[in-house]
Amino acid sequence: EVQLLESGGGLVQPGGSLRLSCASSGFTFTNYAMNWVRQAPGKGLEWVSVTSGSGFNTHDADSVKGRFTISRDNSNNTLYLQMDNLRAEDTAIYYCVKDSVWFGSGAFDMWGQGTMVTVSS
Amino acid sequence: EMVLTQSPATLSVSPGERATLSCRASRNINSHLAWYHHKPGQAPRLLIYGASTRATGIPARFSGTGSGTEFTLTISSLQSEEFGVYYCQQYYDWPRTFGQGTKVEIK
Repeated sequence: EVQLLESGGGLVQPGGSLRLSCASSGFTFTNYAMNWVRQAPGKGLEWVSVTSGSGFNTHDADSVKGRFTISRDNSNNTLYLQMDNLRAEDTAIYYCVKDSVWFGSGAFDMWGQGTMVTVSS
Repeated sequence: EMVLTQSPATLSVSPGERATLSCRASRNINSHLAWYHHKPGQAPRLLIYGASTRATGIPARFSGTGSGTEFTLTISSLQSEEFGVYYCQQYYDWPRTFGQGTKVEIK
């Protein structure tokens, strides 16, 4: 059974940093791209970042480019999102999401339960 | 960026009735479209990918059609657990984008 378990969310002040983790199991982690998708309170889903199965290829949404860094540790089946210079508008539930392909053109076939990030003073 | 526009914003349906949701892309995305169901407090779930292929475990009452810029999700007989918000998403181009969602509520 595929499992994605996010952790690391919490309350942080504007300009602060936070690192999210996603422990994955039940599938061959290196074979699939992994994403972060977020949902701000009362809003829809917003894709944030993706990393290829190897971790060498990444893409980020313009809203987080230069502030967030996606990475993965394939030896530990773990996905990360380093979030720096956080803003109030980054407040959201952050979902760890498995892609259906190694990288390129795939749907999001499994989602974690999410971890809440609140940016407020 | 690719814009996806969903309609209607809200759909009121009685259990057992048919629900039809639409998604329009701002440019051609071939069949690189997925549909997801999201209930509050739960993880979103993939329903349809490739515009018309049901994901694993998704019942046959869910069907997707369309290609290019116009897409439709049809639920032939809505069950009580299937109320919530439905999103379309394109994976043709970067950044990946979602529609704003259609809320399906109990009539």
